[in-house]
Amino acid sequence: QQQVKQSPQSLIVQKGGISIINCAYENTAFDYFPWYQQFPGKGPALLIAIRPDVSEKKEGRFTISFNKSAKQFSLHIMDSQPGDSATYFCAASSEGAGKSTFGDGTTLTVKP
Amino acid sequence: GAVVSQHPSWVICKSGTSVKIECRSLDFQATTMFWYRQFPKQSLMLMATSNEGSKATYEQGVEKDKFLINHASLTLSTLTVTSAHPEDSSFYICSAGGLSYEQYFGPGTRLTVT
Repeated sequence: QQQVKQSPQSLIVQKGGISIINCAYENTAFDYFPWYQQFPGKGPALLIAIRPDVSEKKEGRFTISFNKSAKQFSLHIMDSQPGDSATYFCAASSEGAGKSTFGDGTTLTVKP
Repeated sequence: GAVVSQHPSWVICKSGTSVKIECRSLDFQATTMFWYRQFPKQSLMLMATSNEGSKATYEQGVEKDKFLINHASLTLSTLTVTSAHPEDSSFYICSAGGLSYEQYFGPGTRLTVT
C-alpha cells in the first residue's frame, strides 16, 4: 500500500512558468513533509519542508502548500528555470518512525 | 545543510565478491543513518535504518545477511554487499539524520556487478 502518491510522473514547463507537483498521503500520523531535488547520478538534496501546523511555506522561488484536511501538499516552483530540470520527490515522516516514505518522483523539464 | 559523503562513488566488482560502501556525516553527529537503493527512473527504496552502536533495522524483503550494515560511530556507517550478483547492481544512497526531522543524503554509490 503506497502511503504517498505523487503526480504528475513527468512535467514539461516553459522557462519562466510555474511548475506544480502534487502529493497525497494517507497516514495521519505523518507530521513532516519534505521535498527533495535529485539530479541524474546524484543523491537527493533537501529543497524545502513543512510541518502540518502551517498551510504554506516559501523559500525563494519554491513554495509548499499544505492542506491537512485533504491530506495533500504541493510544491510550486515560480519562474521555472532550465537549471530546475531534475527529479523531485515528496516525502512524509512521523517523529516516532524517523524514516521517510517517498513518492514515486516527478521528472521536471524546463524548456528554454 | 549538512554534508554527507559516500565512498566510493562508483565501484565495479565481480560476481561472488563483496564490496563495502562508506557513508560519513562530515559536519554533524548522525544519530540515525538510512540506506536506500534506487533503480533507474524509480524512487528511493529504504533498505535499512541504523542507529549508532546498535543493530540495523531492515525493511521487509531486504536480506540482512547479504546487506551488512554497521554504524560504528556518529559519523560513519558502512554497507557491505556480500557475495554480490548482477541483480545487486544499483545506485545505493545513504542519508544521515540528527535530532531533528531533516535527512541529508550522500551523493550515492553506483555499484555494477559483472
